[in-house]
Amino acid sequence: DSGVTQTPKHLITATGQRVTLRCSPRSGDLSVYWYQQSLDQGLQFLIQYYNGEERAKGNILERFSAQQFPDLHSELNLSSLELGDSALYFCASSGGNSYNEQFFGPGTRLTVL
Amino acid sequence: QQQVKQSPQSLIVQKGGISIINCAYENTAFDYFPWYQQFPGKGPALLIAIRPDVSEKKEGRFTISFNKSAKQFSLHIMDSQPGDSATYFCAASSYSGAGSYQLTFGKGTKLSVIP
Repeated sequence: DSGVTQTPKHLITATGQRVTLRCSPRSGDLSVYWYQQSLDQGLQFLIQYYNGEERAKGNILERFSAQQFPDLHSELNLSSLELGDSALYFCASSGGNSYNEQFFGPGTRLTVL
Repeated sequence: QQQVKQSPQSLIVQKGGISIINCAYENTAFDYFPWYQQFPGKGPALLIAIRPDVSEKKEGRFTISFNKSAKQFSLHIMDSQPGDSATYFCAASSYSGAGSYQLTFGKGTKLSVIP
């Protein structure tokens, strides 16, 4: 158990809808990273927050957004969903003694029908 | 542009054998190279990591070999066991300022250890 929690575990929705994925980092970690994992693209970095502020952006679509709250949990919002958005979404957290080490949550499996 | 190339895509090894997975990178700014292990339905778990100032790091049956001049690194799993069957990802990161370390992952290697 990495100490990172994600909810929900599974999410099934329809095209055009909007969903919110939630992540709680390990105790004491200030950084939260979001990744998308699909069969053809592997693990793709989406966005990073550090202590409530956006710090880095990767291959994140404009339809996607994220935020980190004062209690350090983070939410990833996916809107106008398309079939191709079906994937596993992971968050990871880092901090403490080594900001390089990222610890992943169990993921949210999103299925868009 | 794929910045970390991983091979092979899949690997079948006999129990007790040595599993070897290779990765190559292009960006010389990378300064941290972790390996992650992922079981089906689970998130990637940090397995072992190395920095470019050492050529080898060993933790139990897992060893990372690092060749800075060739920009390559590899994972060796000694005495492979069926419980090692998983997908392995190499990754690389560099500090990009403001507390940001972005990981770039290889495409993964599906390892199957057969009895």
